Amino acid sequence: AQRVTQPEKLLSVFKGAPVELKCNYSYSGSPELFWYVQYSRQRLQLLLRHISRESIKGFTADLNKGETSFHLKKPFAQEEDSAMYYCAQGTGANNLFFGTGTRLTVIP
Amino acid sequence: EAGVAQSPRYKIIEKRQSVAFWCNPISGHATLYWYQQILGQGPKLLIQFQNNGVVDDSQLPKDRFSAERLKGVDSTLKIQPAKLEDSAVYLCASSLGLAGGEQYFGPGTRLTVT
Repeated sequence: AQRVTQPEKLLSVFKGAPVELKCNYSYSGSPELFWYVQYSRQRLQLLLRHISRESIKGFTADLNKGETSFHLKKPFAQEEDSAMYYCAQGTGANNLFFGTGTRLTVIP
Repeated sequence: EAGVAQSPRYKIIEKRQSVAFWCNPISGHATLYWYQQILGQGPKLLIQFQNNGVVDDSQLPKDRFSAERLKGVDSTLKIQPAKLEDSAVYLCASSLGLAGGEQYFGPGTRLTVT
């Protein structure tokens, strides 16, 4: 069965500090993994996907198949990064299985 | 381009009543999704359409939930009769339908069942 685990419901960091949001997924061949973000009063939106290997808003995420992880990282957190972050795994039918989310608060 | 539209934004009903939600996807998006997001949890897929056909409805409680996308564009999701545990945000999303493609979400409908 699909499983996406985000162990931290809440995470607080100071502005300028590094941040890492953890995500572990269940093995399923070649996984498609995504990070979605929801800023206050905004819609859920795609932040990044592993196949594009790009950096968005300073965030990166590396797929580690050995550890079945897809942690989201940013070297220097900004106040505008405060949001709800969801890790999601794509399924064969091109839909998404979401984790429970981590609320990131960046303290000024 | 206009985003995914949903209505109503909020709905309060009593248990055993029925309710319907409407979604208008981004123009040209073949795939439409309905998700249920209970407080404190991530979105859970209820049903996925490709044009006007159902791709996946394995997690839709079919004894009370139904959805349609008759003309392959707009979609409605209905709950009849509602239960207290149906209180949630119902999210509609659409995508071009390509594998690994981005899903675009609507603002959601917050349903409270009392």
